[in-house]
Amino acid sequence: ELKVEQNPLFLSMQEGKNYTIYCNYSTTSDRLYWYRQDPGKSLESLFVLLSNGAVKQEGRLMASLDTKARLSTLHITAAVHDLSATYFCAASEGGTYKYIFGTGTRLKVLA
Amino acid sequence: DTGVSQNPRHKITKRGQNVTFRCDPISEHNRLYWYRQTLGQGPEFLTYFQNEAQLEKSRLLSDRFSAERPKGSFSTLEIQRTEQGDSAMYLCASSPAWGEQYFGPGTRLTVT
Repeated sequence: ELKVEQNPLFLSMQEGKNYTIYCNYSTTSDRLYWYRQDPGKSLESLFVLLSNGAVKQEGRLMASLDTKARLSTLHITAAVHDLSATYFCAASEGGTYKYIFGTGTRLKVLA
Repeated sequence: DTGVSQNPRHKITKRGQNVTFRCDPISEHNRLYWYRQTLGQGPEFLTYFQNEAQLEKSRLLSDRFSAERPKGSFSTLEIQRTEQGDSAMYLCASSPAWGEQYFGPGTRLTVT
Protein backbone atom coordinates (compact mmCIF):
# COMPACT_ATOMS: atom_id res chain seq x y z
CA GLU A 1 0.00 0.00 0.00
CA LEU A 2 1.40 3.36 -1.04
CA LYS A 3 2.05 5.79 1.79
CA VAL A 4 3.37 9.34 1.53
CA GLU A 5 5.13 11.24 4.28
CA GLN A 6 6.09 14.89 4.34
CA ASN A 7 8.35 16.82 6.63
CA PRO A 8 8.38 19.16 8.26
CA LEU A 9 4.70 19.53 9.14
CA PHE A 10 5.14 23.16 10.10
CA LEU A 11 7.72 25.61 8.85
CA SER A 12 8.16 29.17 9.97
CA MET A 13 10.84 31.06 8.13
CA GLN A 14 12.11 34.57 7.61
CA GLU A 15 11.74 36.35 4.31
CA GLY A 16 14.82 35.94 2.15
CA LYS A 17 15.78 32.54 3.59
CA ASN A 18 15.97 29.21 1.76
CA TYR A 19 14.41 25.95 2.86
CA THR A 20 13.47 22.50 1.60
CA ILE A 21 10.35 20.41 2.13
CA TYR A 22 10.79 16.64 1.85
CA CYS A 23 8.33 14.07 0.53
CA ASN A 24 9.00 10.34 0.93
CA TYR A 25 6.80 7.62 -0.53
CA SER A 26 6.78 3.96 0.36
CA THR A 27 6.39 2.00 -2.88
CA THR A 28 7.02 2.49 -6.55
CA SER A 29 5.12 5.40 -7.99
CA ASP A 30 5.49 6.71 -11.50
CA ARG A 31 4.32 10.23 -10.84
CA LEU A 32 4.75 12.81 -8.12
CA TYR A 33 2.75 16.01 -7.74
CA TRP A 34 3.12 19.17 -5.68
CA TYR A 35 0.17 21.39 -4.75
CA ARG A 36 -0.37 24.60 -2.89
CA GLN A 37 -3.46 25.21 -0.79
CA ASP A 38 -4.53 28.52 0.73
CA PRO A 39 -6.91 28.49 3.73
CA GLY A 40 -10.43 27.48 2.74
CA LYS A 41 -9.43 27.01 -0.90
CA SER A 42 -8.94 24.06 -3.22
CA LEU A 43 -5.64 22.70 -4.52
CA GLU A 44 -3.47 24.67 -6.93
CA SER A 45 -1.17 22.54 -9.08
CA LEU A 46 2.49 23.53 -8.83
CA PHE A 47 4.54 20.74 -10.39
CA VAL A 48 4.14 17.36 -12.08
CA LEU A 49 7.24 15.15 -11.94
CA LEU A 50 7.17 12.15 -14.24
CA SER A 51 10.63 10.60 -14.26
CA ASN A 52 13.71 9.99 -12.19
CA GLY A 53 15.90 13.05 -12.01
CA ALA A 54 13.12 15.40 -13.09
CA VAL A 55 13.62 18.97 -11.95
CA LYS A 56 11.13 21.76 -12.46
CA GLN A 57 11.29 25.40 -11.42
CA GLU A 58 8.73 28.15 -11.21
CA GLY A 59 9.74 31.42 -9.65
CA ARG A 60 11.13 30.82 -6.17
CA LEU A 61 10.04 27.17 -6.10
CA MET A 62 11.95 24.19 -7.47
CA ALA A 63 10.87 20.56 -7.29
CA SER A 64 12.89 17.43 -7.93
CA LEU A 65 12.29 13.69 -7.99
CA ASP A 66 14.57 10.78 -7.12
CA THR A 67 12.63 7.59 -7.80
CA LYS A 68 15.41 5.33 -6.54
CA ALA A 69 15.34 7.01 -3.13
CA ARG A 70 11.54 7.44 -3.37
CA LEU A 71 12.07 11.07 -2.48
CA SER A 72 10.87 14.37 -3.84
CA THR A 73 11.90 17.80 -2.60
CA LEU A 74 10.38 21.24 -2.89
CA HIS A 75 13.02 23.92 -2.47
CA ILE A 76 12.12 27.48 -1.62
CA THR A 77 14.60 30.17 -2.54
CA ALA A 78 14.57 33.63 -0.91
CA ALA A 79 11.12 33.18 0.59
CA VAL A 80 8.56 35.97 0.42
CA HIS A 81 5.38 36.42 2.45
CA ASP A 82 3.17 35.48 -0.52
CA LEU A 83 4.49 31.93 -0.36
CA SER A 84 2.74 31.38 2.98
CA ALA A 85 0.36 28.45 2.42
CA THR A 86 0.10 24.69 2.94
CA TYR A 87 2.06 22.57 0.48
CA PHE A 88 1.11 18.99 -0.33
CA CYS A 89 2.90 16.32 -2.27
CA ALA A 90 0.97 13.42 -3.77
CA ALA A 91 2.04 10.20 -5.43
CA SER A 92 -0.18 8.31 -7.81
CA GLU A 93 -0.97 4.64 -7.38
CA GLY A 94 -0.82 2.54 -10.51
CA GLY A 95 -4.00 1.22 -12.05
CA THR A 96 -6.53 3.70 -10.76
CA TYR A 97 -3.98 6.52 -10.66
CA LYS A 98 -5.64 7.74 -7.50
CA TYR A 99 -3.54 10.20 -5.56
CA ILE A 100 -2.13 9.47 -2.12
CA PHE A 101 -1.39 12.77 -0.39
CA GLY A 102 1.10 13.62 2.30
CA THR A 103 -0.05 15.34 5.46
CA GLY A 104 1.06 18.72 4.15
CA THR A 105 3.62 21.29 5.22
CA ARG A 106 2.18 24.48 6.64
CA LEU A 107 4.56 27.26 5.65
CA LYS A 108 4.55 30.68 7.25
CA VAL A 109 6.95 33.30 5.93
CA LEU A 110 7.59 36.08 8.38
CA ALA A 111 8.21 39.60 7.10
CA ASP B 1 -14.72 28.37 -17.90
CA THR B 2 -13.86 24.78 -18.82
CA GLY B 3 -12.51 23.64 -15.44
CA VAL B 4 -14.04 21.25 -12.93
CA SER B 5 -17.05 22.74 -11.17
CA GLN B 6 -18.69 21.69 -7.92
CA ASN B 7 -21.98 22.65 -6.35
CA PRO B 8 -22.84 23.77 -3.83
CA ARG B 9 -19.67 25.44 -2.63
CA HIS B 10 -20.84 25.44 0.97
CA LYS B 11 -23.45 23.36 2.75
CA ILE B 12 -24.56 23.58 6.35
CA THR B 13 -26.85 20.81 7.52
CA LYS B 14 -28.15 19.37 10.72
CA ARG B 15 -27.05 15.99 11.93
CA GLY B 16 -29.21 13.23 10.51
CA GLN B 17 -30.10 15.05 7.29
CA ASN B 18 -29.15 13.83 3.82
CA VAL B 19 -26.98 15.93 1.50
CA THR B 20 -26.01 15.62 -2.14
CA PHE B 21 -23.10 17.24 -3.93
CA ARG B 22 -22.56 17.57 -7.65
CA CYS B 23 -19.37 17.57 -9.69
CA ASP B 24 -19.12 18.53 -13.37
CA PRO B 25 -15.79 17.36 -14.79
CA ILE B 26 -13.87 18.73 -17.73
CA SER B 27 -15.91 17.49 -20.68
CA GLU B 28 -13.39 15.25 -22.41
CA HIS B 29 -12.14 13.60 -19.19
CA ASN B 30 -13.29 10.01 -18.67
CA ARG B 31 -11.95 9.59 -15.13
CA LEU B 32 -13.54 11.23 -12.10
CA TYR B 33 -12.35 11.07 -8.48
CA TRP B 34 -13.80 12.12 -5.14
CA TYR B 35 -11.60 13.00 -2.17
CA ARG B 36 -12.36 14.18 1.34
CA GLN B 37 -10.20 16.60 3.28
CA THR B 38 -10.66 17.19 6.99
CA LEU B 39 -9.15 20.15 8.79
CA GLY B 40 -5.36 19.99 9.00
CA GLN B 41 -5.09 16.84 6.88
CA GLY B 42 -4.28 15.99 3.30
CA PRO B 43 -7.07 14.92 0.94
CA GLU B 44 -8.05 11.24 1.18
CA PHE B 45 -9.33 9.18 -1.73
CA LEU B 46 -12.99 8.17 -1.56
CA THR B 47 -13.96 6.73 -4.93
CA TYR B 48 -13.17 6.70 -8.62
CA PHE B 49 -15.14 6.38 -11.86
CA GLN B 50 -14.03 5.52 -15.32
CA ASN B 51 -16.82 6.73 -17.54
CA GLU B 52 -19.99 5.56 -15.76
CA ALA B 53 -18.38 2.62 -13.95
CA GLN B 54 -17.43 3.02 -10.30
CA LEU B 55 -14.22 1.01 -10.18
CA GLU B 56 -12.90 1.55 -6.67
CA LYS B 57 -14.27 2.64 -3.31
CA SER B 58 -12.21 3.45 -0.24
CA ARG B 59 -13.07 1.81 3.06
CA LEU B 60 -13.65 5.43 4.19
CA LEU B 61 -16.82 5.34 2.12
CA SER B 62 -19.26 3.91 4.63
CA ASP B 63 -22.71 2.59 3.79
CA ARG B 64 -24.08 6.10 4.29
CA PHE B 65 -22.13 7.34 1.28
CA SER B 66 -23.08 6.69 -2.31
CA ALA B 67 -21.70 8.08 -5.53
CA GLU B 68 -22.99 7.91 -9.07
CA ARG B 69 -21.91 9.05 -12.48
CA PRO B 70 -24.82 8.46 -14.83
CA LYS B 71 -23.89 8.50 -18.51
CA GLY B 72 -20.28 9.13 -17.63
CA SER B 73 -20.73 12.87 -17.33
CA PHE B 74 -21.42 14.67 -14.04
CA SER B 75 -21.20 12.84 -10.72
CA THR B 76 -23.10 13.08 -7.47
CA LEU B 77 -21.99 12.18 -3.97
CA GLU B 78 -24.75 11.61 -1.43
CA ILE B 79 -24.33 11.32 2.30
CA GLN B 80 -27.27 9.92 4.23
CA ARG B 81 -27.93 10.54 7.93
CA THR B 82 -25.04 12.96 8.23
CA GLU B 83 -22.84 12.90 11.31
CA GLN B 84 -20.60 15.61 12.72
CA GLY B 85 -17.59 13.59 11.63
CA ASP B 86 -18.69 14.09 8.02
CA SER B 87 -17.78 17.78 8.24
CA ALA B 88 -15.03 18.26 5.69
CA MET B 89 -14.13 19.65 2.29
CA TYR B 90 -15.22 17.29 -0.50
CA LEU B 91 -13.04 17.62 -3.57
CA CYS B 92 -13.76 16.32 -7.04
CA ALA B 93 -11.12 15.85 -9.72
CA SER B 94 -11.17 14.68 -13.31
CA SER B 95 -8.51 13.46 -15.68
CA PRO B 96 -8.02 11.95 -19.10
CA ALA B 97 -7.04 8.28 -19.19
CA TRP B 98 -3.49 8.54 -17.82
CA GLY B 99 -3.14 12.24 -17.26
CA GLU B 100 -2.95 14.66 -14.41
CA GLN B 101 -6.02 15.18 -12.24
CA TYR B 102 -7.60 18.62 -12.23
CA PHE B 103 -9.32 19.58 -9.00
CA GLY B 104 -12.54 21.52 -8.56
CA PRO B 105 -13.10 24.27 -5.98
CA GLY B 106 -14.56 21.83 -3.46
CA THR B 107 -17.74 21.68 -1.40
CA ARG B 108 -17.35 22.53 2.26
CA LEU B 109 -19.80 20.60 4.44
CA THR B 110 -20.56 21.61 8.00
CA VAL B 111 -22.76 19.29 10.06
CA THR B 112 -24.21 20.93 13.16
